Amino acid sequence: EDQVTQSPEALRLQEGESSSLNCSYTVSGLRGLFWYRQDPGKGPEFLFTLYSAGEEKEKERLKATLTKKESFLHITAPKPEDSATYLCAVQARGGANSKLTFGKGITLSVRP
Amino acid sequence: GAVVSQHPSRVICKSGTSVKIECRSLDFQATTMFWYRQFPKKSLMLMATSNEGSKATYEQGVEKDKFLINHASLTLSTLTVTSAHPEDSSFYICSAKVLETQYFGPGTRLLVL
Repeated sequence: EDQVTQSPEALRLQEGESSSLNCSYTVSGLRGLFWYRQDPGKGPEFLFTLYSAGEEKEKERLKATLTKKESFLHITAPKPEDSATYLCAVQARGGANSKLTFGKGITLSVRP
Repeated sequence: GAVVSQHPSRVICKSGTSVKIECRSLDFQATTMFWYRQFPKKSLMLMATSNEGSKATYEQGVEKDKFLINHASLTLSTLTVTSAHPEDSSFYICSAKVLETQYFGPGTRLLVL
């Protein structure tokens, strides 16, 4: 069974204090690993897809990296508007409609 | 691009009534849509996969007669919660797939009294 574990559960940072969010996964053949951002009371917003170990993707203050066992979402010099819950999900190989398995998310709070 | 809408954004209904939630892909065609449920401070739980023109595929433990899914066109999927009860109160979110990426709607908050 595919599993995704995210840590820490919650993270509080001072504005400008860089940090990393961890996503550990076990999957029977990785098709893709996805990062989403979710604000309270809203649906998840797509951030990145990573497909193979060693791959990195960047968007503004965020950078996602991938190894064979985990992914990190690095946040550089965060701002209060980066406060949200960050969700990690994996998609296993097999079938065109292969579903996503989500972690529980990491709630990030950035203080001004 | 890849915008997904949901309607309504929130609904309050009496126990025993049915509620329909619409999910639309606004700027693309989606042969596959997904319906999720999310409890407070919990992750997304996949309820079913909706394929245009065919029957939905339900996850284990999800009652297909209670949560009716119809995907009649390439831009619209609907979820009907039949004979709703207070335990059905939750945040329901749909998504639509573009290549390998799922794009999510804004969600529908359902409260059953």
